[in-house]
Amino acid sequence: DIQMTQSPSSLSASVGDRVTITCRASQTIDSFLNWYQQKPGKAPKLLIFVASNLQGGVPSRFSGSGSGTDFTLTINGLQPEDFATYYCQQSHSLPLTFGQGTKVEIK
Amino acid sequence: EVQLVESGGGLIQPGGSLRLSCVASGFTVNGNYMAWVRQAPGKGLEWVSLIDSGTITYYADSVKGRFTISRDNSKNTVYLQMNSLRAEDTAIYYCAREGGGSGDGFDYWGQGTLVTVSS
Repeated sequence: DIQMTQSPSSLSASVGDRVTITCRASQTIDSFLNWYQQKPGKAPKLLIFVASNLQGGVPSRFSGSGSGTDFTLTINGLQPEDFATYYCQQSHSLPLTFGQGTKVEIK
Repeated sequence: EVQLVESGGGLIQPGGSLRLSCVASGFTVNGNYMAWVRQAPGKGLEWVSLIDSGTITYYADSVKGRFTISRDNSKNTVYLQMNSLRAEDTAIYYCAREGGGSGDGFDYWGQGTLVTVSS
């Protein structure tokens, strides 16, 4: 199974900050990496698919990059509605696996 | 508008069975990859099962042999039959569509249905 490791597990940031979350795969997954945002009590929401493609309706302050084993989610100009937990997920091979999550909290 | 609505969760004793349903609207489940993803209380996301655009099914090792995913195209519904339930199966179960076929991420999710396995 491909293990997905996110860092950090949590972070505190202020509105307007640039936030970077990293995700590392235990083996190469090409660009088959997706990012989700989840708010308490809600279903996850797809932000980025195949490493760098912005899902429709997602603000352009979200961006993704990387390939192989190392990936990054960047939020440029954190907004109040961005405080949430973020998950990466590999779709390269089964079983599909998620990172453990990164909780973005208000500083 | 695309929507997924799950139902069928509840409190069940260990060893029992439940069938979850996921009714889709705004698109047809036939021809789409559909999945179940679960989240134990306070924990992260765990992929459970997937049915491809045809009839091929896949399962996480943790549920293989106990859970069965299926699809009824006439009802535009995906099911998850869960047998021999264990305490560790306690979770919110989400139905999700894999957009663009295999690999493009889960672009639509239901609101989830809670399954609690306890005596």
